[in-house]
Amino acid sequence: DIQMTQSPSSLSASVGDRVTITCRASQRISSSLNWYQQKPGKAPKLLIYAASSLQSGVPSRFGGSGSGTDFTLTISGLQPEDFATYYCQQSYSIPYTFGQGTKLEI
Amino acid sequence: EVQLVQSGAEVKKPGESLRISCKGSGYSFTSYWIGWVRQMPGKGLEWMGVIYPGDSDTKYSPSFQGQVTISADKSISTAYLQWTSLKASDTAMYYCARRVGSSPGIWFDPWGQGTLVIVSS
Repeated sequence: DIQMTQSPSSLSASVGDRVTITCRASQRISSSLNWYQQKPGKAPKLLIYAASSLQSGVPSRFGGSGSGTDFTLTISGLQPEDFATYYCQQSYSIPYTFGQGTKLEI
Repeated sequence: EVQLVQSGAEVKKPGESLRISCKGSGYSFTSYWIGWVRQMPGKGLEWMGVIYPGDSDTKYSPSFQGQVTISADKSISTAYLQWTSLKASDTAMYYCARRVGSSPGIWFDPWGQGTLVIVSS
């Protein structure tokens, strides 16, 4: 299985801040990397697919980059509704493993 | 609107069997893979497996192979996740999600609302 490692595991920030979450794959996965947001008691929501493509309806303050083994999710100008847990997922090979999550707190 | 609607919460005893469901609507159900994801209490997301309802081709994570069965009934646009003998460690929220795209660009959207399974004596 491909192992996905996110850092940090938790992050404190303020409204208006710019934050970056990183995700590293244990082997090269091209651009087969997705980012999801999960709020307490809710299902995950797709933010970014194929490393850098913004899902329809997702605010442009969310951005993704990277290829190969190293990827980043950047949120520019944090809004109150952005405080949640974020997961990366590789879709290069089955099983489509997730990172352990990054909890973004105020 | 593309939508996945999952069956309601379940409370079962160890050793009992269970099947939970995920009904798709708003798209061609037989043309997209459906995946299942486990989230144990307070923990992260774990990918379990996928099924292609068109021909019932199924792929499992090695961690879940033999522990659960994924199936689908295309006549009613519904995918299933099944256990024959539940354990307390199966207590979790289970999500289904539609797989979109093709290699190397594959992602999961939308997701069902989740089904909470509680296994307790």
